[in-house]
Amino acid sequence: NAGVTQNPKFQVLKTGQSMTLQCAQDMNHNSMYWYRQDPGMGLRLIYYSASEGTTDKGEVPNGYNVSRLNKREFSLRLESAAPSQTSVYFCASSEAFGASGNTIYFGEGSWLTVV
Amino acid sequence: QKEVEQDPGPLSVPEGAIVSLNCTYSNSAFQYFMWYRQYSRKGPELLMYTYSSGNKEDGRFTAQVDKSSKYISLFIRDSQPSDSATYLCAMSAVYSSASKIIFGSGTRLSIRP
Repeated sequence: NAGVTQNPKFQVLKTGQSMTLQCAQDMNHNSMYWYRQDPGMGLRLIYYSASEGTTDKGEVPNGYNVSRLNKREFSLRLESAAPSQTSVYFCASSEAFGASGNTIYFGEGSWLTVV
Repeated sequence: QKEVEQDPGPLSVPEGAIVSLNCTYSNSAFQYFMWYRQYSRKGPELLMYTYSSGNKEDGRFTAQVDKSSKYISLFIRDSQPSDSATYLCAMSAVYSSASKIIFGSGTRLSIRP
């Protein structure tokens, strides 16, 4: 039971470099999300995809782009990395959300350092 | 002011103690309240989920919501070293979209054997 898988787990980038964080889920969920987690700031939503073929901005989208490649995969791209993007990135997925208790399932995180 | 406030800790208690973790919030529209547990170097996982006010119990864990005070709590009874983790509260006003969930910054909890 893999759940939500992210790659790479650790990455060091130089300022201005680009990279893509990969995410795949095997739970047949419709919705997928990218969050970043910073000390004292909690989890903040970068982008999400409510269903295959759609993407929307979250709270902190600047400097990022996303692609919903298919139902399983949702990638996050940093076109020109900045030190402010040093963070832990979490991909997540959900089927639905509401009183039934369905919830967001998170991957294990990707630690990104921009120097 | 943040919509959701959570004391970052760290909170250190002896094994067997009752732990109380809390969050306050400012948005009176929040109706769905969650607690996530996050072990070191791992992603958050859902621990408890409550709708509107009241209590919910699951084993050693009790979630409590007081909407009049805009205050939610998570109680852990008979705490174990395996409960050592960061606990994040989360809440939402919207039924249909997890994209509207607001997370607290987390409280780091350590249970001493």
